[in-house]
Amino acid sequence: EIVMTQSPATLSVSPGDSATLSCRASQSVSSNLAWYQQKPDQAPRLLIYGASTGATGIPARFSGSGSGTEFTLTISSLQSEDFAVYYCQQYNNWPVTFGQGTKLEIK
Amino acid sequence: QVQLQESGPGLVKPSGTLSLTCAVSGGSISGSGWWSWVRQPPGKGLEWIGEIYHSGTNNYNPSLGSRVTISLDTSKNQFSLNLSSVTAADTAVYYCATSEKWLGQFDWWGQGTLVTVSS
Repeated sequence: EIVMTQSPATLSVSPGDSATLSCRASQSVSSNLAWYQQKPDQAPRLLIYGASTGATGIPARFSGSGSGTEFTLTISSLQSEDFAVYYCQQYNNWPVTFGQGTKLEIK
Repeated sequence: QVQLQESGPGLVKPSGTLSLTCAVSGGSISGSGWWSWVRQPPGKGLEWIGEIYHSGTNNYNPSLGSRVTISLDTSKNQFSLNLSSVTAADTAVYYCATSEKWLGQFDWWGQGTLVTVSS
């Protein structure tokens, strides 16, 4: 199965600044990559699919890029509600697999 | 939008069977889409368990072997998970989720239910 590796494990950023989260696949997943946000005691919420397409209702400050094995989630002008754990997921190969997550915390 | 709601026992004994149901509203389970179960051990990441299509076609994560069964109840617009021979390693929050296509992103999720395996 494809292994998804996210970095860093924890990212400390100040509100108003930008954050860049990385996700690497052990083999090419084309653009079949999604990003999710998970807040404490909540289910994951789809942010980005197709590596760069925003899901319904997701603010424009969330953007995704990349293809193949290297992907990036960028969050600009961080708001207090953006501090959470973020997961990437590949759905190019069966079974679908997730990264281990990046915790975005307030600096 | 589709809404999903998990239900089932919060405590299961070791070697027993974990059984959960996901009720679907805002969409027909027999219409289209793939219906999945995903779990998350406390403090850890997400693991896809398996899925079912409205035709009844199943796919299961090989890591769980033959312990998993997912079934549909179209009359109640819900689907279910059975996980047999459970151990403490199966303690997790279990989510149901849906995707429009096979090998797709998970567009909608239930709120999750914690299942603890303990005697």
